[in-house]
Amino acid sequence: AQTVTQSQPEMSVQEAETVTLSCTYDTSENNYYLFWYKQPPSRQMILVIRQEAYKQQNATENRFSVNFQKAAKSFSLKISDSQLGDTAMYFCAFMPGTYKYIFGTGTRLKVLA
Amino acid sequence: GAVVSQHPSWVICKSGTSVKIECRSLDFQATTMFWYRQFPKQSLMLMATSNEGSKATYEQGVEKDKFLINHASLTLSTLTVTSAHPEDSSFYICSARDRDRGLPSPLHFGNGTRLTVT
Repeated sequence: AQTVTQSQPEMSVQEAETVTLSCTYDTSENNYYLFWYKQPPSRQMILVIRQEAYKQQNATENRFSVNFQKAAKSFSLKISDSQLGDTAMYFCAFMPGTYKYIFGTGTRLKVLA
Repeated sequence: GAVVSQHPSWVICKSGTSVKIECRSLDFQATTMFWYRQFPKQSLMLMATSNEGSKATYEQGVEKDKFLINHASLTLSTLTVTSAHPEDSSFYICSARDRDRGLPSPLHFGNGTRLTVT
């Protein structure tokens, strides 16, 4: 079975600091896609960043970057210069060839002033 | 762009009644939409895949007669919770993928519907 594991239920970080959220997945497929979504208190799901498995280069989007380790099946999210607005639930999502998302259990991030 | 509108945002209904939730892609066409259920402080659980012009595909353990899904057009899918009971109270979220952008176009999510059954 394909699974996504987020081992950190909750994390906190001081404003302006850097934090890394971990995500591991299990699959036998070679081609797939990975995403990080943010769900703030409004509960709107917002795409943060995405990564194609066939690309070795790690994706970056402004303050957000990933460390994609395909062999280790690891897809961590690094948030630099954390801001209060980054406080949210973060979900890692895996999309295999079925094109359905498999979500991790989420990490609740709190940015402290 | 890529806006998904979900309505209503919240609804309270009495036990035994039915509730319809709409999910519309406002500026793109979606042959496939997905319906999720989210319990408090938990992840999103896929309920079903809604396919335009054909029957929905339900995940294991989801009652298709209780959660009716209709995808009548390329921009609208509806989820009807029939004969609702308090245990159906939850947060329901729809999502859609822009069919014209191909893969790996990400899913775009609606704002969700909080259903409370009394």
